[in-house]
Amino acid sequence: EAQVTQNPRYLITVTGKKLTVTCSQNMNHEYMSWYRQDPGLGLRQIYYSMNVEVTDKGDVPEGYKVSRKEKRNFPLILESPSPNQTSLYFCASSRRLAAPYNEQFFGPGTRLTVL
Amino acid sequence: RKEVEQDPGPFNVPEGATVAFNCTYSNSASQSFFWYRQDCRKEPKLLMSVYSSGNEDGRFTAQLNRASQYISLLIRDSKLSDSATYLCAVPGSSNTGKLIFGQGTTLQVKP
Repeated sequence: EAQVTQNPRYLITVTGKKLTVTCSQNMNHEYMSWYRQDPGLGLRQIYYSMNVEVTDKGDVPEGYKVSRKEKRNFPLILESPSPNQTSLYFCASSRRLAAPYNEQFFGPGTRLTVL
Repeated sequence: RKEVEQDPGPFNVPEGATVAFNCTYSNSASQSFFWYRQDCRKEPKLLMSVYSSGNEDGRFTAQLNRASQYISLLIRDSKLSDSATYLCAVPGSSNTGKLIFGQGTTLQVKP
């Protein structure tokens, strides 16, 4: 089954404790992206990757890192989480950047709480 | 003007009704448009993609009006299971692949 998977699905942690949220897709998609969703602010892009070893900042990259060593994986790293990073996180992927291959498919989400 | 704007609703309709949502966008150069469905606390699921004037899939029809810069989603014969939030998304102008989402329109279909 074609899908985007994320782990963990739920995480409660404390300020400053490094964590990684994994994202994997099995569709051989070139493009991958991370979004966060907050009430009243909608979905905002954190980082994106156009292909292996090609990553760049989105709209809200502060406090996050990413890597793209393999095509299928795009982990999101919080080196020192803070309470303002409490949010619902989604990983997404698309076949390519440009239309008509730019339909993005989302993972199930990771609900993160930072105390 | 927001880059992508939707009427948040809620839209409360009876089963069997036809309901339409509009979404306006500011980037006149946009070439692709998407409607997603999101259930509470779950991931957005792609409902329809629009690359030209419109698209139809069963009870769902999406139409694009480039001159007025809006896309619409029409749902015919509403089912209880259609109750959800519908998100309009348009690629940003910066060629980052970023989707800019509207705030979503909430639909509640009642028996």
